[in-house]
Amino acid sequence: DVKVTQSSRYLVKRTGEKVFLECVQDMDHENMFWYRQDPGLGLRLIYFSYDVKMKEKGDIPEGYSVSREKKERFSLILESASTNQTSMYLCASTNPLGSSSTTNEKLFFGSGTQLSVL
Amino acid sequence: AQKITQTQPGMFVQEKEAVTLDCTYDTSDPSYGLFWYKQPSSGEMIFLIYQGSYDQQNATEGRYSLNFQKARKSANLVISASQLGDSAMYFCAMREGQGTALIFGKGTTLSVSS
Repeated sequence: DVKVTQSSRYLVKRTGEKVFLECVQDMDHENMFWYRQDPGLGLRLIYFSYDVKMKEKGDIPEGYSVSREKKERFSLILESASTNQTSMYLCASTNPLGSSSTTNEKLFFGSGTQLSVL
Repeated sequence: AQKITQTQPGMFVQEKEAVTLDCTYDTSDPSYGLFWYKQPSSGEMIFLIYQGSYDQQNATEGRYSLNFQKARKSANLVISASQLGDSAMYFCAMREGQGTALIFGKGTTLSVSS
């Protein structure tokens, strides 16, 4: 069964700490994404990567950075955590358009990390 | 301007009834894809259905169908014969052009009662 695995389901950190959220997929997908989900706001794209060592800013990249050293792993980094970064973080992956027989390149999601910054 | 608009924060339906969850989108790209995901209280995101902008027919997947009205830029999800297990948050999302990142709406919470 295909899988996107996020290292922690729940995480509690203090303001100012450096936080790493890890995501690993076993589907050999080229594209990986980080979203945050907040009540009433839906999912918002933080960063994404279309290939190893490549990264692109999403809609809300401020306060975040990412790392993609290997194809299967995409890390989200909070350099100095703040309380407004308390949220659910969702990792997802997929293949580029045209890589399969359909254009339905749906995203496969991890189970999420609920981060609380105190 | 929002790219994906879901105007119903919450919807209530009885078991075995059909329900329509609204979604409108905004894009100038002729090539796009529309998705619906379900998120139960467990938090996992479950893919339900997909509609491509060039697809002539409305997509269907079991009890789910997508009412695609291109001129109105709407992509409503229809769930037939609702079940208690359909109670969840539902997200409409769009992919534009050749990118694969999805833009999500704010979601609709569906509650199914017996």
